Amino acid sequence: DAGITQSPRYKITETGRQVTLMCHQTWSHSYMFWYRQDLGHGLRLIYYSAAADITDKGEVPDGYVVSRSKTENFPLTLESATRSQTSVYFCASLATGANIQYFGAGTRLSVL
Amino acid sequence: AQSVSQHNHHVILSEAASLELGCNYSYGGTVNLFWYVQYPGQHLQLLLKYFSGDPLVKGIKGFEAEFIKSKFSFNLRKPSVQWSDTAEYFCAVNAPRDDKIIFGKGTRLHILP
Repeated sequence: DAGITQSPRYKITETGRQVTLMCHQTWSHSYMFWYRQDLGHGLRLIYYSAAADITDKGEVPDGYVVSRSKTENFPLTLESATRSQTSVYFCASLATGANIQYFGAGTRLSVL
Repeated sequence: AQSVSQHNHHVILSEAASLELGCNYSYGGTVNLFWYVQYPGQHLQLLLKYFSGDPLVKGIKGFEAEFIKSKFSFNLRKPSVQWSDTAEYFCAVNAPRDDKIIFGKGTRLHILP
């Protein structure tokens, strides 16, 4: 199906473990983004990517790593998960020119 | 730096009431403005956008927003809300050549049946 998909939808892990959240888009949008959504903070940008092999930090990048070897994939890795990383994570892609972001369904991550 | 401020964190209304959600931004130049909606358990969806032209923008589901440049505002309105409008609403802004979109913290709207 066309669109932007995230996997898994739900994940429970323990502190100190490495976790990777996947994001895949079928539109070939150049830009992709990772946000976390927390009560009282709204959406905060973690990392974004302007194209394959180009990534940049957002507002809250600490504790996260991203890669973009292919245009359609933008995985987010928590190298050593902490409880403060319990959140809902949203991936988005941007249709340049139209300047509209399209969001995935989100991944609800709980770090115990 | 750009920022977006949404004045109300929680709003509770009865069905058929009129709605206005405030949004102010800080940026001196030309901006693109957005309202996104997130229904319970769902992802964000675009409600409406303003790039240029008529400052009164009409979106989906009867929503509209008015860009007032002198007030740096982009308030969202709906004349008569429905129970199905219960959701969280996010205002967002970016500069046309910027690759990042800045979101407000959101307003949770609860409509009483």
